[in-house]
Amino acid sequence: GENVEQHPSTLSVQEGDSAVIKCTYSDSASNYFPWYKQELGKGPQLIIDIRSNVGEKKDQRIAVTLNKTAKHFSLHITETQPEDSAVYFCAASRGYGQNFVFGPGTRLSVLP
Amino acid sequence: NAGVTQTPKFQVLKTGQSMTLQCAQDMNHEYMSWYRQDPGMGLRLIHYSVGAGITDQGEVPNGYNVSRSTTEDFPLRLLSAAPSQTSVYFCASTPPGGNTEAFFGQGTRLTVV
Repeated sequence: GENVEQHPSTLSVQEGDSAVIKCTYSDSASNYFPWYKQELGKGPQLIIDIRSNVGEKKDQRIAVTLNKTAKHFSLHITETQPEDSAVYFCAASRGYGQNFVFGPGTRLSVLP
Repeated sequence: NAGVTQTPKFQVLKTGQSMTLQCAQDMNHEYMSWYRQDPGMGLRLIHYSVGAGITDQGEVPNGYNVSRSTTEDFPLRLLSAAPSQTSVYFCASTPPGGNTEAFFGQGTRLTVV
């Protein structure tokens, strides 16, 4: 079955710097890769996603890149702000109706 | 616009007790699922359902039962609680069509003593 690894497990950056979180997956049939942000005491919330027919997607300060050949995808956050502090999860899925497999999470701390 | 609602938010059980975690969604999503979240392990799938009357096991189903009698509700039952089931439980639902985003509830923090 699918296995998703995520690095680093913790990440501290200064406000205004960039943050990068990397994930690898094992199942070449996976074609949907969402990123979730989880704030303390809340459920995960989607922040960006990418499908396997796209190499990069950007939404304001957040971008995701996908390398299907190497089976890895990354989350990039630019101009980090204190409100970006949270736990971030990557996930992989074969598409609608198929289950997500999540990475173990990255705790991002943005220091003022 | 409630989305996915989970109850209770917190629960303490004694070993051997049973209980039901409730999950309801008002978005008419056919696909619903239950995850447990443990430190350093991300979210692991317990059970899922692709529609009313249809359920299946995920990665960690032992000790849990589910049923899906309506589109809106997907309760998770702990048959005989064990300390290993201490965790945070999340219910999620996914809309039909090409958008495969999962919408999560706020979670239930369960402690088994």
